[in-house]
Amino acid sequence: SQQGEEDPQALSIQEGENATMNCSYKTSINNLQWYRQNSGRGLVHLILIRSNEREKHSGRLRVTLDTSKKSSSLLITASRAADTASYFCAPGRASNTGKLIFGQGTTLQVKP
Amino acid sequence: DTGVSQNPRHKITKRGQNVTFRCDPISEHNRLYWYRQTLGQGPEFLTYFQNEAQLEKSRLLSDRFSAERPKGSFSTLEIQRTEQGDSAMYLCASSLPTGQGNSQFFGPGTRLTVL
Repeated sequence: SQQGEEDPQALSIQEGENATMNCSYKTSINNLQWYRQNSGRGLVHLILIRSNEREKHSGRLRVTLDTSKKSSSLLITASRAADTASYFCAPGRASNTGKLIFGQGTTLQVKP
Repeated sequence: DTGVSQNPRHKITKRGQNVTFRCDPISEHNRLYWYRQTLGQGPEFLTYFQNEAQLEKSRLLSDRFSAERPKGSFSTLEIQRTEQGDSAMYLCASSLPTGQGNSQFFGPGTRLTVL
């Protein structure tokens, strides 16, 4: 299935620490996206990494992609309480629809 | 605000009533998606439009659900004869065509509670 599976399901860290979450998928992809969702809100697109890229940075975010292992990781450095949210990965195939299939996500709690 | 907007933000209804939600996408986005999310789960795809054409519907979308995008701009999602199991957050998202990366921009959602 195109669905990504995030791991761990829950993560609790102290402010200032780094947070790493992982995503595994089963099919071949041409890109993978990460989204954040604050409690009770819509999703916010964080970053898209293409299948021919291995690493991408955006501010305090670093995403890696290993297509041979069908996995991706999202690293948030120097975490802040405002990073508390659920994080979802969405593997993308070269299809006509572009629909996203989400897993259960990783719930990150950053304690002040 | 040029983001995706959804109305209403909250809807409480009694079982058996009909409800309609509206989504206004980002103006230059020709793709529009509806998702449903229940507590503790990721969003589940319901349907998508390219311009005014509804090109895919999930099996989750029973015949009580209908979605339209009559002029290729805003979209409505109607649920007829609501059931308690329809209680969820309904999310709308829009994007440019897949060839440009398909980063989807989500609205704030409509939270439906069916009593």
